[in-house]
Amino acid sequence: AQRVTQPEKLLSVFKGAPVELKCNYSYSGSPELFWYVQYSRQRLQLLLRHISRESIKGFTADLNKGETSFHLKKPFAQEEDSAMYYCALHSGGYQKVTFGIGTKLQVIP
Amino acid sequence: GAVVSQHPSWVICKSGTSVKIECRSLDFQATTMFWYRQFPKQSLMLMATSNEGSKATYEQGVEKDKFLINHASLTLSTLTVTSAHPEDSSFYICSALPLAGGKTQYFGPGTRLLVL
Repeated sequence: AQRVTQPEKLLSVFKGAPVELKCNYSYSGSPELFWYVQYSRQRLQLLLRHISRESIKGFTADLNKGETSFHLKKPFAQEEDSAMYYCALHSGGYQKVTFGIGTKLQVIP
Repeated sequence: GAVVSQHPSWVICKSGTSVKIECRSLDFQATTMFWYRQFPKQSLMLMATSNEGSKATYEQGVEKDKFLINHASLTLSTLTVTSAHPEDSSFYICSALPLAGGKTQYFGPGTRLLVL
């Protein structure tokens, strides 16, 4: 069975400090990992995916198959980064998505 | 582009009644739509995968007769909660996968259901 674990429900950092949101997964196949973000009173939206190896809003995430991790990082947190972040694993022909429980990032001014 | 809407945004109903929630892709066609539910302070849990013109595929533990899904067109999927009970109170979210391809799902804003 596939599983996504986000060990921290809440992460508080000061503005300008580095951020790392942890995500570990369990999946027998070749994983496709995504990070989704939900800002206050807004809908869930895609932040980035491991295949693209892109940096969105200063965030990056590297898939580490050895550690089965896909941690989300940003060198300098901004207040507007405060949001709920969900790590997700996509699988199956219909793109079934398994979400982690989510981590609330709170950036303190 | 790629906007998904849900209607209603919130609904309160009496126990025993049925409630229909609509999910529409406004500016694209979607072969596949997904229905999730989210309890307070918990993650999104996939309930079912809906494909246009065919029966929905339900996740283990989700009652097919309780949560009726219809995907009659490439832009509309509906979820009907039949004979709703207070334990069905939750936040229901749909997402849509564009017919044009890609693996990005676009999410609706969600529907909050409260069953009294």
